[in-house]
Amino acid sequence: AQSVTQPDIHITVSEGASLELRCNYSYGATPYLFWYVQSPGQGLQLLLKYFSGDTLVQGIKGFEAEFKRSQSSFNLRKPSVHWSDAAEYFCAVGARGSQGNLIFGKGTKLSVKP
Amino acid sequence: NAGVTQTPKFRILKIGQSMTLQCTQDMNHNYMYWYRQDPGMGLKLIYYSVGAGITDKGEVPNGYNVSRSTTEDFPLRLELAAPSQTSVYFCASKEREGHMGDTQYFGPGTRLTVL
Repeated sequence: AQSVTQPDIHITVSEGASLELRCNYSYGATPYLFWYVQSPGQGLQLLLKYFSGDTLVQGIKGFEAEFKRSQSSFNLRKPSVHWSDAAEYFCAVGARGSQGNLIFGKGTKLSVKP
Repeated sequence: NAGVTQTPKFRILKIGQSMTLQCTQDMNHNYMYWYRQDPGMGLKLIYYSVGAGITDKGEVPNGYNVSRSTTEDFPLRLELAAPSQTSVYFCASKEREGHMGDTQYFGPGTRLTVL
């Protein structure tokens, strides 16, 4: 069965510092992979997605993620965090050929120190 | 282009009451989804629809019903509200699966409390 693990429940970083949020997935083939961000009281917004091809994916707001098949990982990174990046981040996996149903991780809450 | 809209934003129900959460999208998407989000648990799929007249169960369908009479609307019905249904509910939609498909667009959510 598909599953997504986000090992870090809560991360705090200083403004201007780099960020890496971890995501590991379990799936028998190459899945679709997504990162969504949820600001307090808001819905989910897509940051980036991986379908195929280049394993380094660029997204909005200066985020990027790298698909590593050997490690079943899809970690999200940002070189310099801004206070406005404080939010909850969700990794999700979708099965190719499915009805597009997504399996979400439990999320990582990011706090940013001034 | 409003995207995915949900009403109401907040609701408090008493145990045993019923209500319908509304979801509308104006992007002509065939696929629509209902998720619930519990604290610390991520999102769980309740029901989904691949087009008007076609619905199917997701991971946690018990206690809910859906219908899809039009492409735009996908209401979620709670018949006998229970405290376990206290959650934030998100509706989402996406285009038919294709080369650049599989991006789900989410509504702002409905926060439901059952007392």
